Amino acid sequence: IAGITQAPTSQILAAGRRMTLRCTQDMRHNAMYWYRQDLGLGLRLIHYSNTAGTTGKGEVPDGYSVSRANTDDFPLTLASAVPSQTSVYFCASSQLAGERTDTQYFGPGTRLTVL
Amino acid sequence: GQNIDQPTEMTATEGAIVQINCTYQTSGFNGLFWYQQHAGEAPTFLSYNVLDGLEEKGRFSSFLSRSKGYSYLLLKELQMKDSASYLCAVRDGDYKLSFGAGTTVTVRA
Repeated sequence: IAGITQAPTSQILAAGRRMTLRCTQDMRHNAMYWYRQDLGLGLRLIHYSNTAGTTGKGEVPDGYSVSRANTDDFPLTLASAVPSQTSVYFCASSQLAGERTDTQYFGPGTRLTVL
Repeated sequence: GQNIDQPTEMTATEGAIVQINCTYQTSGFNGLFWYQQHAGEAPTFLSYNVLDGLEEKGRFSSFLSRSKGYSYLLLKELQMKDSASYLCAVRDGDYKLSFGAGTTVTVRA
């Protein structure tokens, strides 16, 4: 089934460790996004990429980095994890950012706990 | 940043109607989205409004008033499977999507 996959499904990580969350889509969407979802705060944008080779900062980018080497993959890296990065992370993609009708579709999420 | 408000929780009976309100303040406006999210799952797209008025999709309808910064999602003939969180999201002038905290709807038998 076409869509977005994320890995791992869940992870427990020691503070200070480096971690990369993986996201792959097979819909040939141009734009991809990373969100974190915390109770009572809703989804917040971390980083985004409107097209392969470009990235941008969202609302809460500190402590995270991304790359977009090709259309399909958009990994999110935590260089040195801290407990406040405990959250559920969702990757999303859309056909064409900048179009009014553009709709984002979400992956299944990664539940990350930093101890 | 954007300011998007929606009620935290709502409870309704199976077969009834529930209306979830969303008010927003944004810098620029390029559409309002509603997503459904079941516990432990990903958000899934429900509806999109960019012009004022009502959009109907089966048992779900969404309304928008741009001048009032207001939208609602109407769920009719409620079913147990409709128990979920409903997320209001607004696309701003920079085409970035900002989400409300979500409304958890519980459907009782």
